[in-house]
Amino acid sequence: DAGITQSPRHKVTETGTPVTLRCHQTENHRYMYWYRQDPGHGLRLIHYSYGVKDTDKGEVSDGYSVSRSKTEDFLLTLESATSSQTSVYFCAISVGTGGPGANVLTFGAGSRLTVL
Amino acid sequence: GDSVTQMEGPVTLSEEAFLTINCTYTATGYPSLFWYVQYPGEGLQLLLKATKADDKGSNKGFEATYRKETTSFHLEKGSVQVSDSAVYFCALSDQGYSTLTFGKGTMLLVSP
Repeated sequence: DAGITQSPRHKVTETGTPVTLRCHQTENHRYMYWYRQDPGHGLRLIHYSYGVKDTDKGEVSDGYSVSRSKTEDFLLTLESATSSQTSVYFCAISVGTGGPGANVLTFGAGSRLTVL
Repeated sequence: GDSVTQMEGPVTLSEEAFLTINCTYTATGYPSLFWYVQYPGEGLQLLLKATKADDKGSNKGFEATYRKETTSFHLEKGSVQVSDSAVYFCALSDQGYSTLTFGKGTMLLVSP
């Protein structure tokens, strides 16, 4: 079972403050993803990583940065949070050696962020 | 770019009714197609998938057939249960198989 832990699970912050969400996996899967889920928009890809220090942008990457210095951790940072970034954030990993087109995408439980 | 279009919900059914959730896609090349399900308060989980034209994915009584000629991957189940109440997402992979593009999701509500 691919173990994925997201932290924090809930966070309330104020506009303009920095926020970092953490995704931790217990195995050595190569591909990791950050999505945001919003009503009426479904899931939209923010950034993804295909290895340590290898990352790429998704369709809604503006205002977000990521880092992956270890295989097991993928961090999502909002440098200066805005109300439009209020959302539920999901981390996912592709279980296997390839990407999710070839393997199962396994999701974490989500992090609910509210920006006031 | 790649895109997925699903029917809007909520879809409201009585227990034992027949379910169809429509999904069509736009993609270059020949993507793999997926249905994911999200139960309340949880992350998404894979329901079924199909990797090439005319393939049928199936799981837990749900089925979907990859139709290249109509660029569709409709989800069906012959007899829904209350426990099937969830949000269903259609998705496709890009040609490099490195990312998934999701539709907006369709909420299914099944009443006893």
